[in-house]
Amino acid sequence: RKEVEQDPGPFNVPEGATVAFNCTYSNSASQSFFWYRQDCRKEPKLLMSVYSSGNEDGRFTAQLNRASQYISLLIRDSKLSDSATYLCVVIFNSGGSNYKLTFGKGTLLTVNP
Amino acid sequence: NAGVMQNPRHLVRRRGQEARLRCSPMKGHSHVYWYRQLPEEGLKFMVYLQKENIIDESGMPKERFSAEFPKEGPSILRIQQVVRGDSAAYFCASSPGPREGTDTQYFGPGTRLTVL
Repeated sequence: RKEVEQDPGPFNVPEGATVAFNCTYSNSASQSFFWYRQDCRKEPKLLMSVYSSGNEDGRFTAQLNRASQYISLLIRDSKLSDSATYLCVVIFNSGGSNYKLTFGKGTLLTVNP
Repeated sequence: NAGVMQNPRHLVRRRGQEARLRCSPMKGHSHVYWYRQLPEEGLKFMVYLQKENIIDESGMPKERFSAEFPKEGPSILRIQQVVRGDSAAYFCASSPGPREGTDTQYFGPGTRLTVL
């Protein structure tokens, strides 16, 4: 089983739609969770950290379920500029290495006019 | 404040040649990380360095790959005797250093290595 698994998509949605991405991780002793976005042939950029209580940043809402080892990202009122690959990222608590980002393969989102 | 800089952005090498990838961290950052993204794959951790120290190289292939972060100058990822399977995007990230909890890493634009 892969350490971080995501639905690869692609997701094609119209502008204004709500879209949700899911991610599961294999190691219950996981420390930190993030969503990054990566535009085509560009570097990953931090979108938001994910906290146990859930957190929201504008149109973006992230949820964490530690019992199910599951992370989600919800995008409301999607814009054309949201088109990108969304990467689920986990830091596993392994011998004090709280720096090693483990990436999922990403979910491709295309928002259509 | 300039971000993480990497050069070259694109590098083409023939099999057997050496590739040198450079990374200058953000100003004030003393921690550097290298990740590799193979085609159709997620980014994979390679190595974590601080000035003049390799902290964790658990993700580095055992042979042909080496990394350094000297006291002066950029961090270098060096690949000797490149093979076609080394073709990938190599991303560098930097951080100021962990204080409490996790330390946010900021990524550079990457170097796309193509081995012919």
